[in-house]
Amino acid sequence: AQSVSQHNHHVILSEAASLELGCNYSYGGTVNLFWYVQYPGQHLQLLLKYFSGDPLVKGIKGFEAEFIKSKFSFNLRKPSVQWSDTAEYFCAVGEGFQKLVFGTGTRLLVSP
Amino acid sequence: SQTIHQWPATLVQPVGSPLSLECTVEGTSNPNLYWYRQAAGRGLQLLFYSVGIGQISSEVPQNLSASRPQDRQFILSSKKLLLSDSGFYLCAWSAAGGRGYTFGSGTRLTVV
Repeated sequence: AQSVSQHNHHVILSEAASLELGCNYSYGGTVNLFWYVQYPGQHLQLLLKYFSGDPLVKGIKGFEAEFIKSKFSFNLRKPSVQWSDTAEYFCAVGEGFQKLVFGTGTRLLVSP
Repeated sequence: SQTIHQWPATLVQPVGSPLSLECTVEGTSNPNLYWYRQAAGRGLQLLFYSVGIGQISSEVPQNLSASRPQDRQFILSSKKLLLSDSGFYLCAWSAAGGRGYTFGSGTRLTVV
């Protein structure tokens, strides 16, 4: 069974710092890759997704992620975080077009 | 546009009582439907998914069951709740063969 690992469980940054959240998965076949964000008290929202093509994916709110097939990774990045980016971030991998498997999440706290 | 409704938002139930959480999707037909549970430090765990009426796949053995009596209705049930069933339950849908998931607002279940 495939699994998704997010190695950073808690990250604390100051505003304007750069962010990189790691995500690795174990499935060797064709995968669809996602990053979701959950702001305090809100629904899960899609940040960005990768299906094929350019491995550098741009998402909403200045986030981007890079798919590195050889490393089974899909790390999330943002050059300069804001206080409003405080949230929990989930990496997810889809096997075919069904069954998203989520990582355990990373709680990001951005201090003003 | 498509919308997903999940209720109730919060629920406190005694151990041994039954459970029924409902999820409905509007604005689409033949969606794939999912029940996830979010537990602190464990991310989102896929519990059940359904690709059609009466078709339920269980991902994790547990005290819960799911049913899909109508195309756009997905129900999570239990005959007798356990303390360990406490958690945050999320319903989600994706288009059949689609490449994105939309989540409901979730139900916070506390078993006392």
